[in-house]
Amino acid sequence: AQSVTQLGSHVSVSEGALVLLRCNYSSSVPPYLFWYVQYPNQGLQLLLKYTSAATLVKGINGFEAEFKKSETSFHLTKPSAHMSDAAEYFCAVRRGSSNTGKLIFGQGTTLQVKP
Amino acid sequence: GAVVSQHPSRVICKSGTSVKIECRSLDFQATTMFWYRQFPKQSLMLMATSNEGSKATYEQGVEKDKFLINHASLTLSTLTVTSAHPEDSSFYICSAPHQSTGNTIYFGEGSWLTVV
Repeated sequence: AQSVTQLGSHVSVSEGALVLLRCNYSSSVPPYLFWYVQYPNQGLQLLLKYTSAATLVKGINGFEAEFKKSETSFHLTKPSAHMSDAAEYFCAVRRGSSNTGKLIFGQGTTLQVKP
Repeated sequence: GAVVSQHPSRVICKSGTSVKIECRSLDFQATTMFWYRQFPKQSLMLMATSNEGSKATYEQGVEKDKFLINHASLTLSTLTVTSAHPEDSSFYICSAPHQSTGNTIYFGEGSWLTVV
């Protein structure tokens, strides 16, 4: 069985500061991991995904995440926060085999960016 | 642009009535689509897998007679909430894997259902 845990339901940073959103996973099979962003009253937009290729994954909007098997982590980072980054962020793991489209989501982290 | 589209984005219905939400894959075919439910300030919970040409597969605890899913074509899945109750009010989101992009999973814009 797979699961993801996002540490911190709410993260607040100043504009220009480093963004770090934490995600730890549990998986009995090699995991496929994702980060999605959700703006208010909207669907989910894929930021990046890890599919067992490079451990450092670069995504859209300057975000990146590093897969660390030893720490079972897939933390999301961005060097410099922008006001437009304020949103809800979800870490997810693909459930089951690599061919399934089912995702298990973490609890979500609200990112607040202060001017 | 969006690769998965939902309609309507918002709908209000009366208790006891049924409401249909559509999920369309744009410019690609999806033999499977997925329906999620999201309560305010909470995460997404998978409700069911919509399968083109066969019955949907429901997650444990989801009433299949209440949440009817029909995968009418390779680009359209519909979720019908039957005999809606206020507790069915929620944000419903669909997703579909895009095979041409390594099965990247794209999500629709979501549909807000309010049952009054």
